[in-house]
Amino acid sequence: DGGITQSPKYLFRKEGQNVTLSCEQNLNHDAMYWYRQDPGQGLRLIYYSQIVNDFQKGDIAEGYSVSREKKESFPLTVTSAQKNPTAFYLCASGQATYNEQFFGPGTRLTVL
Amino acid sequence: AQSVSQHNHHVILSEAASLELGCNYSYGGTVNLFWYVQYPGQHLQLLLKYFSGDPLVKGIKGFEAEFIKSKFSFNLRKPSVQWSDTAEYFCAVNAGTSGNTGKLIFGQGTTLQVKP
Repeated sequence: DGGITQSPKYLFRKEGQNVTLSCEQNLNHDAMYWYRQDPGQGLRLIYYSQIVNDFQKGDIAEGYSVSREKKESFPLTVTSAQKNPTAFYLCASGQATYNEQFFGPGTRLTVL
Repeated sequence: AQSVSQHNHHVILSEAASLELGCNYSYGGTVNLFWYVQYPGQHLQLLLKYFSGDPLVKGIKGFEAEFIKSKFSFNLRKPSVQWSDTAEYFCAVNAGTSGNTGKLIFGQGTTLQVKP
């Protein structure tokens, strides 16, 4: 069954801790993306990667880091430098030339 | 900078009413346009897309959208909504100069509530 999986579904973090959100896809897509969704603000791009071992900053990359060591995986680390990390995080993948993106179920991060 | 604006933030309709959600973008070149929907508790999924050709595009579940280049708009329509259309709707744009990175710029979203 092809698709995108994200884990965990819910994540709680204490202030000052780094946390890593998982994103895996078995769609054989080259490109992967991380978005942050906040009420009334739509989706904002954090990082994206078009190919293994390469990634670029999106519009709100500060306080986040990523890696792309495998085509299937694009984990996102929310660092303690992110001032307002509580949000819903969505991972997506796609073939860049077609522009359509497919989304995972999301991870809701809450900072306590 | 490119941007996407959705004018209706929260829309409440009764079943069988007609729907039109506005979407405007700011970019003068070639664009690819999308409407995504997020039903309660479900993944964000594609409703419809426009790349080229007929500016009136049809999507899933009876939705359609019209691309009007002169107005930089891509409004979503449905002649008769159902309770099951209750969801959040996002307009998104990919501008040609992004070099086929696949980057999408999303609007703020519109929450549609359909009353039975």
